[in-house]
Amino acid sequence: DAGVIQSPRHEVTEMGQEVTLRCKPISGHNSLFWYRQTMMRGLELLIYFNNNVPIDDSGMPEDRFSAKMPNASFSTLKIQPSEPRDSAVYFCASTEFRDTQYFGPGTRLTVL
Amino acid sequence: DQQVKQNSPSLSVQEGRISILNCDYTNSMFDYFLWYKKYPAEGPTFLISISSIKDKNEDGRFTVFLNKSAKHLSLHIVPSQPGDSAVYFCAARANNAGNMLTFGGGTRLMVKP
Repeated sequence: DAGVIQSPRHEVTEMGQEVTLRCKPISGHNSLFWYRQTMMRGLELLIYFNNNVPIDDSGMPEDRFSAKMPNASFSTLKIQPSEPRDSAVYFCASTEFRDTQYFGPGTRLTVL
Repeated sequence: DQQVKQNSPSLSVQEGRISILNCDYTNSMFDYFLWYKKYPAEGPTFLISISSIKDKNEDGRFTVFLNKSAKHLSLHIVPSQPGDSAVYFCAARANNAGNMLTFGGGTRLMVKP
């Protein structure tokens, strides 16, 4: 298995632009998580899906952030409009039931 | 309110010696604890875990100890190797929170040759 796949690996954009991050979970995993890593806050959970349904989005910073999981093999995290304080590394992780979470390589986002 | 805390942002150890990374938690509903290791430009990878019904779990050079009364866990690496240099995250899962993990802020371990 290729593991969790994220794209792009790096994204540089200007303030106000829309950013879309993509994730392909491990096949057969039924839960998907989006995390953000910053120096100030460490690794924080933004949202998680179970069987493609959003279960907990309390970590989503504000309405500029949205996430979708249209099917079991694909999820997106969108920021519109982006701001410099959104600059961080965004990780996607997946798991099967209550097993260990497996992380993707992350997307490093820089908003200028 | 940080429910999982790693109070040491960094730790430096000589190769061959023991590394001890600490983690404290506040939520008494946590019943499963994990350590993840993260290298630069990579995602965190699972290292070792422990259930709240145990107080110790060992896997090769890595041992995790859990002290439930103190709400404290630690990761011991013996002997430490330069390849162990990474950021280590402590994580916890509550018995009423499905698959959700709560992570600590991480500790950067540097093992000097």
